[in-house]
Amino acid sequence: AQKVTQAQTEISVVEKEDVTLDCVYETRDTTYYLFWYKQPPSGELVFLIRRNSFDEQNEISGRYSWNFQKSTSSFNFTITASQVVDSAVYFCALSEAWRDDKIIFGKGTRLHILP
Amino acid sequence: DAGITQSPRHKVTETGTPVTLRCHQTENHRYMYWYRQDPGHGLRLIHYSYGVKDTDKGEVSDGYSVSRSKTEDFLLTLESATSSQTSVYFCAISPGTGTQYTEAFFGQGTRLTVV
Repeated sequence: AQKVTQAQTEISVVEKEDVTLDCVYETRDTTYYLFWYKQPPSGELVFLIRRNSFDEQNEISGRYSWNFQKSTSSFNFTITASQVVDSAVYFCALSEAWRDDKIIFGKGTRLHILP
Repeated sequence: DAGITQSPRHKVTETGTPVTLRCHQTENHRYMYWYRQDPGHGLRLIHYSYGVKDTDKGEVSDGYSVSRSKTEDFLLTLESATSSQTSVYFCAISPGTGTQYTEAFFGQGTRLTVV
């Protein structure tokens, strides 16, 4: 069954520290897509990244990086040199391509960056 | 920004009354989704649509129905609202993972309170 687990409910770090948000997924498909979204205190959902199951290259975008490992069914997200503006809830999500593109989200990780 | 609008943005209703939330898009995307967001549960899929008049249930569909008579509109109806349906509701759209799209686009959310 399609499932996304974000075991870290809440994390607090001091500004400028690095922090990694974990995401573990379950799927029976060989073709699937993984996403990360950010939800700042204002409430909107902001897309961060999409990765398909055939592309295991890690990606870096500024202070953000993503580590996709099919062997462990994980798609972890690291923020380097965290800033107060990174404080938000972060969601990992999974879409199985053949299942009508249903997108299932994890429960989210609330990240607090302390000044 | 993607053309997606939710209405109303806020609503207070009484237990037992019917409520309809509307999601309107101007992107001509095939897929549309309704999610609810509750503390501790993240985003949970209620119903989704993969075309006009083509809909399917998500994780938490009990007590909800949907309709999609036009590409641009996806309606979510609570036939008889209960206090457990107090939540923030998000609509999302996407052209589908088979395309070159990079994200599912979310509306601003509807805060529904059932008293």
